[in-house]
Amino acid sequence: GEDVEQSLFLSVREGDSSVINCTYTDSSSTYLYWYKQEPGAGLQLLTYIFSNMDMKQDQRLTVLLNKKDKHLSLRIADTQTGDSAIYFCAESIRGSYIPTFGRGTSLIVHP
Amino acid sequence: EPEVTQTPSHQVTQMGQEVILRCVPISNHLYFYWYRQILGQKVEFLVSFYNNEISEKSEIFDDQFSVERPDGSNFTLKIRSTKLEDSAMYFCASGGLADAEQYFGPGTRLTVT
Repeated sequence: GEDVEQSLFLSVREGDSSVINCTYTDSSSTYLYWYKQEPGAGLQLLTYIFSNMDMKQDQRLTVLLNKKDKHLSLRIADTQTGDSAIYFCAESIRGSYIPTFGRGTSLIVHP
Repeated sequence: EPEVTQTPSHQVTQMGQEVILRCVPISNHLYFYWYRQILGQKVEFLVSFYNNEISEKSEIFDDQFSVERPDGSNFTLKIRSTKLEDSAMYFCASGGLADAEQYFGPGTRLTVT
């Protein structure tokens, strides 16, 4: 079955890069997603990558996919205090667009 | 910018009671979803809804649950005879196409006592 795992917490200093890691188990995944949840708000899709890609860059965000190791990462360059949130990794498998979520990584950015 | 809204933000109910959680999806969206997140656990898919019928549902979505789009704007989740373990944050989402981005609402925190 599908399982998505990620570490629960990450603390970084403002201006540094943050790297949030995720592993998944289903080799038939088609899309891999990163969602952001700020306090009191819903989940916001930050970016996604199709499983036949290995990298996607969008401004300060870089997604790296290692399909062999089933490892996905999200790098946030020049992390700001406004980036403090919970980041969810998710995957969807062939035939479904319903994401399976990880537990979320709380990113804490301190001055 | 259009957004998904949910009411109430927090609902407290007694075990055995029925609750209805309400969502107003983005107006031109056609696909609607409910998810839940029990405290400390993962966000879990419950059900998707398209063209006035359920298109996909998870094992969690049993006979205790039902969804409805009673008019052109609301999308509701009804939970009959609530149990303590139904306490969770319930998220509604909507999308324009099946494979399009899902836009999530802020959630309703349901507490069953």
